[in-house]
Amino acid sequence: GQNIDQPTEMTATEGAIVQINCTYQTSGFNGLFWYQQHAGEAPTFLSYNVLDGLEEKGRFSSFLSRSKGYSYLLLKELQMKDSASYLCAVMDSNYQLIWGAGTKLIIKP
Amino acid sequence: GAVVSQHPSWVICKSGTSVKIECRSLDFQATTMFWYRQFPKQSLMLMATSNEGSKATYEQGVEKDKFLINHASLTLSTLTVTSAHPEDSSFYICSARGTEQQETQYFGPGTRLLVL
Repeated sequence: GQNIDQPTEMTATEGAIVQINCTYQTSGFNGLFWYQQHAGEAPTFLSYNVLDGLEEKGRFSSFLSRSKGYSYLLLKELQMKDSASYLCAVMDSNYQLIWGAGTKLIIKP
Repeated sequence: GAVVSQHPSWVICKSGTSVKIECRSLDFQATTMFWYRQFPKQSLMLMATSNEGSKATYEQGVEKDKFLINHASLTLSTLTVTSAHPEDSSFYICSARGTEQQETQYFGPGTRLLVL
């Protein structure tokens, strides 16, 4: 079966760095997406990785290792507004997005 | 990023009525649109995938006669919840993707449905 695993909840301090991990087992791979979802709102696109390595975009970076079925989202200089759920999703061989359950990130002052 | 709108953002209706939700891609042509449902504190659940000009593909367990999807143009898809019941109360979110299968999906702001 297809499976995406990510921690249910994480807590971090304002100004710090946090890494949210995602491991996956899917039938085929056509890229991995990270989305941010604030409570009561729809997800917004953060990043897309299809090749191994690190993609940096401002305070957010996303890393992918296809051989390990592993990705992480790195958030630097955390701000209170970063409190949200972070969703990992993998596009399988049929170009369907397989969604993780999301990681709720709580930022404390 | 691309912009997707959804209307209405909030619906409260009586049990037994039908509700139509519109999803529009504002600045790109969406060959494929997706409809999701999300219950509180749960992950997104894909309901159906619709391609412009063809019938929608429904996920297992989703009743196609209850959730009618129409994707008549490259910028508009509609989801109609027929004879809504309280258990249909949820957050319905559409997303749209351009002409290439590997493109990013962009989400609409969602529609919160409450059936009394």
